[in-house]
Amino acid sequence: GEDVEQSLFLSVREGDSSVINCTYTDSSSTYLYWYKQEPGAGLQLLTYIFSNMDMKQDQRLTVLLNKKDKHLSLRIADTQTGDSAIYFCAENPGSSNTGKLIFGQGTTLQVKP
Amino acid sequence: DTGVSQNPRHKITKRGQNVTFRCDPISEHNRLYWYRQTLGQGPEFLTYFQNEAQLEKSRLLSDRFSAERPKGSFSTLEIQRTEQGDSAMYLCASSVDNSPLHFGNGTRLTVT
Repeated sequence: GEDVEQSLFLSVREGDSSVINCTYTDSSSTYLYWYKQEPGAGLQLLTYIFSNMDMKQDQRLTVLLNKKDKHLSLRIADTQTGDSAIYFCAENPGSSNTGKLIFGQGTTLQVKP
Repeated sequence: DTGVSQNPRHKITKRGQNVTFRCDPISEHNRLYWYRQTLGQGPEFLTYFQNEAQLEKSRLLSDRFSAERPKGSFSTLEIQRTEQGDSAMYLCASSVDNSPLHFGNGTRLTVT
């Protein structure tokens, strides 16, 4: 079945790097996404990667994709207290990219000053 | 670009009542999606529209749920005869064709 898995909690100190991991199930997923959710708010698109890429960098964010292992990671460099939030990994199963995303449970990132 | 707008932000209703939520997508976005998020979980897909056509509905969308997008712009999601299990955050998102989804801030429904 379709299932996206993430670890539930990560705690880091301000200034350290954070790495959030995700495994997905559908090898035909065209795009994979990272969203951020702050308390009481909706989801903010952080970044996404096309399945024929293995890395994408966007300022402090680096996404790594291992298609063979169906593993996706998000690295946040120089983590700040404002990065404290829940981070969701999502896949778009199938090759049609309809926007019917499958989300993980979310990883709560706690940044300690 | 004012973002995806959802109203109301919060709704408290008694079991058995009907509720309706509204979503205004980003202007020019032809696709509109509804997701549901329960506490501690990721969002789950409910349904989506391309312009005014409803193209897919999840098994989660029971016959008490109905969504419309009559003019291909805003959308409404109605839940009839609400149950306590309907308590959740209802999220709307929009996109241009296959571009990434942009989400609104959601409507939090509490059924007492």
